[in-house]
Amino acid sequence: GQQVKQSSPSLTVQEGGISILNCDYENDMFDYFAWYKKYPDNSPTLLISVRSNVDKREDGRLTVFLNKSGKHFSLHITASQPEDTAVYLCAADNSGGSNYKLTFGKGTLLTVTP
Amino acid sequence: GPKVLQIPSHQIIDMGQMVTLNCDPVSNHLYFYWYKQILGQQMEFLVNFYNGKVMEKSKLFKDQFSVERPDGSYFTLKIQPTALEDSAVYFCASSPGGARDTQYFGPGTRLLVL
Repeated sequence: GQQVKQSSPSLTVQEGGISILNCDYENDMFDYFAWYKKYPDNSPTLLISVRSNVDKREDGRLTVFLNKSGKHFSLHITASQPEDTAVYLCAADNSGGSNYKLTFGKGTLLTVTP
Repeated sequence: GPKVLQIPSHQIIDMGQMVTLNCDPVSNHLYFYWYKQILGQQMEFLVNFYNGKVMEKSKLFKDQFSVERPDGSYFTLKIQPTALEDSAVYFCASSPGGARDTQYFGPGTRLLVL
């Protein structure tokens, strides 16, 4: 089965609102968690990442929350803008035990409407 | 930010023929990766490569697949012979030595095997 799941294939948010993207994982050995942003026919671009020794990390309008007991992490985007419209991919890795291979979710298409 | 280039962007090939996908990683990066994404599915790890050797490969990395990076040139994925199920988007990534989780991706090569 899928080790990293994004249960919402799509999300629509009004401009100025908060976008909340969710990701669940199964492997409790994962210790690195990341969010990538992808436009059509473009490279996935790393937005923000955390390691398992923290449960929150902020970077500008982006915040990652990590809930290890619930095997869940999320990306919050405040003051959402139309240019935030893209596919968001979550990814995780067991960096302590592997040669750094990311396990991805299927992605959530975020649409920010003016 | 750092850019990974992939050549070609699209490739159509007849089943049974050989194909080589080329990746120009970020200069000074030491670790290289290939991921495969079948339409509608998540990106999946194929293989990673360091110091001229494959470190780890997944079950998707069939015997018909091979990777190399001769003399610091392109990092290549060769499929010989191709099969219909090899149709997918193949993403290359690279990461620096000190932060192997931080993977920078190319835009992908769309391979269609007829």
